[in-house]
Amino acid sequence: AQTVTQSQPEMSVQEAETVTLSCTYDTSENNYYLFWYKQPPSRQMILVIRQEAYKQQNATENRFSVNFQKAAKSFSLKISDSQLGDTAMYFCAFLSSNTGKLIFGQGTTLQVKP
Amino acid sequence: DSGVTQTPKHLITATGQRVTLRCSPRSGDLSVYWYQQSLDQGLQFLIQYYNGEERAKGNILERFSAQQFPDLHSELNLSSLELGDSALYFCASSVAGGGLYEQYFGPGTRLTVT
Repeated sequence: AQTVTQSQPEMSVQEAETVTLSCTYDTSENNYYLFWYKQPPSRQMILVIRQEAYKQQNATENRFSVNFQKAAKSFSLKISDSQLGDTAMYFCAFLSSNTGKLIFGQGTTLQVKP
Repeated sequence: DSGVTQTPKHLITATGQRVTLRCSPRSGDLSVYWYQQSLDQGLQFLIQYYNGEERAKGNILERFSAQQFPDLHSELNLSSLELGDSALYFCASSVAGGGLYEQYFGPGTRLTVT
């Protein structure tokens, strides 16, 4: 069974600085997607970024980028130029091509300080 | 706004009661997923429907059931409610079932069982 682990329950960063959130996963599949979702205090689940396992190039979306290490089964999220609105819980998620269901990590609460 | 709608936003009910949560997927999406977010269990996949048929089942209790109607909206029925069922219930939709497709989440229904 697939598992997703986020080892940092809480993190903080100063506004305008860079922060990296860690995620590791375990799977025997070769074809899958990985995601980072953001959950602000409103509780809405917002898709931040997606990485296809078959792509070697790391995904980037504006200030958000990932470091995808397939062999190490690692998928970290880097937030550059952190903004107050980035304060939220961030979930790493694995999407299986076999089942189509998302498996989430435990989440990392990120606080951006002014 | 993801395009996925869920009603009601909040629900407060007593133990032993039965409730129905409703979800309308994004226009064009055929697949609906239900997830439960609780403090002790995190975000967990419950069940998936694709074009009216059950596609995958996760950690869904026997007291819970779901269906997807011909107009593709879905309902999650929770019966004999217990205090531990208090959680945020998310619906997500994707264009297809199985395979690798992004899932877009609704705003959630917060269920409180007293």
